[in-house]
Amino acid sequence: SQQGEEDPQALSIQEGENATMNCSYKTSINNLQWYRQNSGRGLVHLILIRSNEREKHSGRLRVTLDTSKKSSSLLITASRAADTASYFCATQPGAAGNKLTFGGGTRVLVKP
Amino acid sequence: GAVVSQHPSWVICKSGTSVKIECRSLDFQATTMFWYRQFPKQSLMLMATSNEGSKATYEQGVEKDKFLINHASLTLSTLTVTSAHPEDSSFYICSARDRLGAGYEQYFGPGTRLTVT
Repeated sequence: SQQGEEDPQALSIQEGENATMNCSYKTSINNLQWYRQNSGRGLVHLILIRSNEREKHSGRLRVTLDTSKKSSSLLITASRAADTASYFCATQPGAAGNKLTFGGGTRVLVKP
Repeated sequence: GAVVSQHPSWVICKSGTSVKIECRSLDFQATTMFWYRQFPKQSLMLMATSNEGSKATYEQGVEKDKFLINHASLTLSTLTVTSAHPEDSSFYICSARDRLGAGYEQYFGPGTRLTVT
C-alpha cells in the first residue's frame, strides 16, 4: 500500500511564484525525503528531514515536518521554468531497514 | 560522487522474450540495491530489495520467478524480466545504498524504459 499521499496532484504556476506541495503518511518514520524527477528521467534527491526535525532549508527549498499530523510540506520559492518536474516525498520506517515508500507525486509546471 | 548507472536506458523486446537490466554503482560499494517500477504519470513502486550475495526480498504481489534479481557483486545488480508481456512495459529504476554511508540516502539510476511489443 502507498505510504505517502501528496497534494495537489498537479500544480501550475508562473515563474517567480512560490510552489507548495504537501505529503501525508500513515506509519511512524525515521525520516522523510523529497525527490525531483524530470520527465522520463531518474530521481534527484533534494532534501532529507529526520523525524526529530521540524524544518529544513536548502537553497530555494524549505521543508517542514509535523510528525503529530504525519505530514510534510515542500516549498519552492521564486520558482523557475527549470523547476518544472514531478516531486515525490518518500518515507523510511522507524524500524531498522531502509526501504523507501513513495507518495503519489505532484506534477509542477512553471510557466515562463 | 555517488553515481548509479543503468543499462540499457531503453529497450524494445518482443512478447515472450527475456530482458536483462543492469544497475551499477560507479564510485561506491552497495550492499543493498532496490528495484522500482514506475508506470506513466504514477509513482515509484518498490519491487524488490537486492542484497549482495543473498536472495532478493520481493514485495507483496511481485512474482519472483518473473522478475529475477541477481546481486553478484558490491557494484552490480541485475533485473531480468522473463517471458515479458506488454503489461510489463514500464520504467524500471534502481537505487543503491552506500555501504559506508549512514544508511538513509539512496542514489538513483537514470532508469530503463522497457517496451514489450
